[in-house]
Amino acid sequence: DIQMTQSPSTLSASIGDRVTITCRASQSISGWLAWYQHKPGKAPKLLIYKASSLETGVPSRFSGIGSGTEFTLTISSLQPDDFATYYCQHYNSYYFTFGPGTKVDIK
Amino acid sequence: EVQLVESGGGLVQPGGSLRLSCAASGFTFSGYWMSWVRQAPGKGLEWVANIKQDGSEKYYVDSVKGRFTISRDNAKNSLYLQMDSLRAEDTAVYSCARGHLTVVVPPVYWGQGTLVTVS
Repeated sequence: DIQMTQSPSTLSASIGDRVTITCRASQSISGWLAWYQHKPGKAPKLLIYKASSLETGVPSRFSGIGSGTEFTLTISSLQPDDFATYYCQHYNSYYFTFGPGTKVDIK
Repeated sequence: EVQLVESGGGLVQPGGSLRLSCAASGFTFSGYWMSWVRQAPGKGLEWVANIKQDGSEKYYVDSVKGRFTISRDNAKNSLYLQMDSLRAEDTAVYSCARGHLTVVVPPVYWGQGTLVTVS
């Protein structure tokens, strides 16, 4: 089974900071990776799919890059609405595997 | 507007059973893969099960294989999760999510979830 890891597990940042989260797969997943933003009590919000494609309606300050086993999510200038937990997700036709999450909180 | 509304959660004793439902609206339900995902208290997201459009293919995370059964009724626009032999570690908010049509994409639409407590 493919395992997903994320680093860091928690990240403290200030408004306007550039934030980078890393996700690693235990074996190559090509570009089958998504990034979600999740806030307590709300449904997860899809930000990025196919490693680097921005979901419709997601602000351009979010970007993703990577392939194979290493991927990154970057928020170019952190905004108040961005404080949340971020999950990477490997997906295919049959199953999903989530990373453990990265909590972005206020410094 | 796409809507997914879960129901059926509650408090159940270890070893007990529960059936979750997900009512779908705002899209052609029979055209999409569907999923169940859960989040235990204080933990991350965990995929539980997927089902193909016609119900002919079903996939489960190892921890629920043999205990949970995903199913759907396309005539009723409904997704189900039958949970048997429940354990304390199954305590979580269970959410349904709309999968893909033909091109594989991750879920965009999710329900708000229903809480299952095994105690």
